[in-house]
Formats: sequence, C-alpha cells, structure tokens
Amino acid sequence: DAKTTQPTSMDCAEGRAANLPCNHSTISGNEYVYWYRQIHSQGPQYIIHGLKNNETNEMASLIITEDRKSSTLILPHATLRDTAVYYCIVRVGFLSGGGADGLTFGKGTHLIIQP
Amino acid sequence: DVKVTQSSRYLVKRTGEKVFLECVQDMDHENMFWYRQDPGLGLRLIYFSYDVKMKEKGDIPEGYSVSREKKERFSLILESASTNQTSMYLCASSPPTGMNTEAFFGQGTRLTVV
Repeated sequence: DAKTTQPTSMDCAEGRAANLPCNHSTISGNEYVYWYRQIHSQGPQYIIHGLKNNETNEMASLIITEDRKSSTLILPHATLRDTAVYYCIVRVGFLSGGGADGLTFGKGTHLIIQP
Repeated sequence: DVKVTQSSRYLVKRTGEKVFLECVQDMDHENMFWYRQDPGLGLRLIYFSYDVKMKEKGDIPEGYSVSREKKERFSLILESASTNQTSMYLCASSPPTGMNTEAFFGQGTRLTVV
C-alpha cells in the first residue's frame, strides 16, 4: 500500500518557486518525511527530511502541516536543472525490535521547469 | 566522497541465464537495498538487508534472490533471467534505521534480457 500520494506531474516557470505537495494521511508518530529527486538516467538523490518542524537547507524547504498529514517541498528559485522526478516517502525513525524498514518509493511527481 | 558503485552500467543477458548484479558501498552502512525501475511504475523495492547475512523481502521479490556475505557488498541474483526482468536496477545504502539520515544510490544497471 502506498504511504504517500503525489500528483503525477507539474510544470513551473524558471525562476519561480516550485511547490510540490505530498499527502501522507496515515503517517505514524515515529515516521519521518523524506524527499528525494531523480534526474534522468541518474540514481535518486536525497533533498531534505523532517519530522514535524519545517526544515530548510541549501536545496529546498520542507513545510509539514501541523497534523503531519501532508507536506510541501519548496524549490525557491527553480532552474532548468531542477527538472526531475521528485519522490516523497515516509520512513520510521526507530524500530524498537531492531532490523530495518524497507525504503519504499512511490511513482513520484515529474516536475518540468519551463524556460 | 561517499559512493555506491554498481558493477555494470549496461548488461545484456539471454533468457535462462543466471545473472549477478553487484553493489559495493564504501560508507560502512548497515542497510542496503535493491530496486527496479520501470516506466510508469516508479522505484519498486525488491530486497533489502540490514546486516551481513540478513535479508528481507521487499514488494516484488519473486524471481530474485540476494546475498550479503560482507557488509560492503550486496548482490542481486536472477536465477533464471526472463524478458520481464528487463529493467533499470538501482542499489542503495543507508545508515541504520533510527539515525534519520539519507540513503545513497548507485548510478543504476540497465539490464536487457533477450
């Protein structure tokens, strides 16, 4: 079962902010929200992650709603090189029994930056 | 510079062949993952491992097996390759669950089974 829901594709004009939504209504208390992107013919690349507070790094900002059921990845000044598939995933922060969780991706959002 | 290295970028194999896809990471990560990626289907998890000799099935393990004899190496095995296993295969590694850090991916192996 998919843990996240994202639009299939989005367009954004170069230089504008790209806002990518993600719905994760069944997220549990110990799960983090992660964002990755995959540029054509490359492996996915980590962007940012968060638990409940908004986060910002040199690549993007992550806004998580107060109920944690959705989030938005913001690329503040999109460039043509930001054209990629963006994946929103949830991942547990800790497994009390040890072991590991599978890192499960969905289909992502194909973001196209228009010149 | 962290690295996940997949042994081949492109591979062509015949139906029925036994195929080994190798992945090596140099970050001393406990977790390693194998995915396949097909148009319109996104990344689908095949198998993952959280320690040497430990393995867990992902969402689509049928037709595949894995081996983790050393911490740095995670192999994906197609016992008898079939044309429906033609795909892009991606390997990833990450620190243990609970450290909330990112996974690192290799560049992928594009496998064609003819």
